[in-house]
Amino acid sequence: KQEVTQIPAALSVPEGENLVLNCSFTDSAIYNLQWFRQDPGKGLTSLLLIQSSQREQTSGRLNASLDKSSGRSTLYIAASQPGDSATYLCAPANSGYALNFGKGTSLLVTP
Amino acid sequence: GAVVSQHPSRVICKSGTSVKIECRSLDFQATTMFWYRQFPKKSLMLMATSNEGSKATYEQGVEKDKFLINHASLTLSTLTVTSAHPEDSSFYICSARDTAGGFHEQYFGPGTRLTVT
Repeated sequence: KQEVTQIPAALSVPEGENLVLNCSFTDSAIYNLQWFRQDPGKGLTSLLLIQSSQREQTSGRLNASLDKSSGRSTLYIAASQPGDSATYLCAPANSGYALNFGKGTSLLVTP
Repeated sequence: GAVVSQHPSRVICKSGTSVKIECRSLDFQATTMFWYRQFPKKSLMLMATSNEGSKATYEQGVEKDKFLINHASLTLSTLTVTSAHPEDSSFYICSARDTAGGFHEQYFGPGTRLTVT
């Protein structure tokens, strides 16, 4: 069974800082990996999708890297803003495309 | 990105009644949809994989007779919680898999907050 761990569990930073959110997973046989954000009481918003053959993906201030063989992915957030405050979830997909979730990283960016 | 809707967003029901939750992919066809539940401060737990035109595949420990799933069209999957009990109170979220471009990206609905009294 795929186990997903995200570090840190919580993070509080002043706005403007560059951030690194870490994700590790136990089974490297993944099809792809998605990063999501979840606002309190809401659904998930897809941020980035990395195929298993890719090393990184970028979207605006977000950059995600994937090291499939070591079971790691990292989400970089540049120049953080208060609007970035949310829980960030990484989710590797198995061969059946179902996503496996960890508990996420709760981010608070203060003005 | 693609849009997935869920209805209702909130529902309160009495013990013993059944509740149906709808999940729709609004701008793409989804042969596969997934149902998750999420407890407070916990990660999302996959309940079942819903396949259009065939029976759903349930995860270990999820009662298929209690959580009925129907995926009757390429844009609609429904989850019915039968004979609901207070312990079924949770946040239920669906996702739909978009196979366009071969990327298989999943898009999530906004979730349904179920409270059983």
